[in-house]
Amino acid sequence: DGGITQSPKYLFRKEGQNVTLSCEQNLNHDAMYWYRQDPGQGLRLIYYSQIVNDFQKGDIAEGYSVSREKKESFPLTVTSAQKNPTAFYLCASSIDGTNFPYEQYFGPGTRLTVT
Amino acid sequence: AQSVTQLGSHVSVSEGALVLLRCNYSSSVPPYLFWYVQYPNQGLQLLLKYTTGATLVKGINGFEAEFKKSETSFHLTKPSAHMSDAAEYFCAVSDRRNYQLIWGAGTKLIIKP
Repeated sequence: DGGITQSPKYLFRKEGQNVTLSCEQNLNHDAMYWYRQDPGQGLRLIYYSQIVNDFQKGDIAEGYSVSREKKESFPLTVTSAQKNPTAFYLCASSIDGTNFPYEQYFGPGTRLTVT
Repeated sequence: AQSVTQLGSHVSVSEGALVLLRCNYSSSVPPYLFWYVQYPNQGLQLLLKYTTGATLVKGINGFEAEFKKSETSFHLTKPSAHMSDAAEYFCAVSDRRNYQLIWGAGTKLIIKP
């Protein structure tokens, strides 16, 4: 089955540690996205990538970093500079992020707790 | 800048009753519009979308939405609520500059038995 996988489902870290969240898709989609979800705030875009080896900052990129070395993979690193990293993180992909608003397909999410 | 407003962070209806979830957007040009559903601790799933053409859009699970340009609205409806409809619903509008989605804050739908 085609889809998006995110691992792990739950992640716990100590304050001051960097942590990397995995996102893999086998849909052959060009565009991939990372969102952060907090209660009552909807989804906020962290980073997006429209093509391999290229990515752009979203609305809340500070304290996060990404890479897009392969079409199917778009890992997100939450750095120690992120002031409030505890949240639910969602990865998504779409066929094309530049020519038409194709629907976005979402992974199951990773819930990160930093103490 | 485009924005999306979902009226009501929580909506409660009885099983079998009409479901109405409201979404209004601000945009200087006709946007593309989406409704997604999220079940607890899961990712989002597309319910329906409006791009062009017929303004009444039918989606999965018996949901539909109507694009009303004059009211800048895209409300989501379902004639008869089921317990399985309990979830959070998000409205989103596509930015025509770069096709990124701008999200509403979400509405939690509660179904009373």
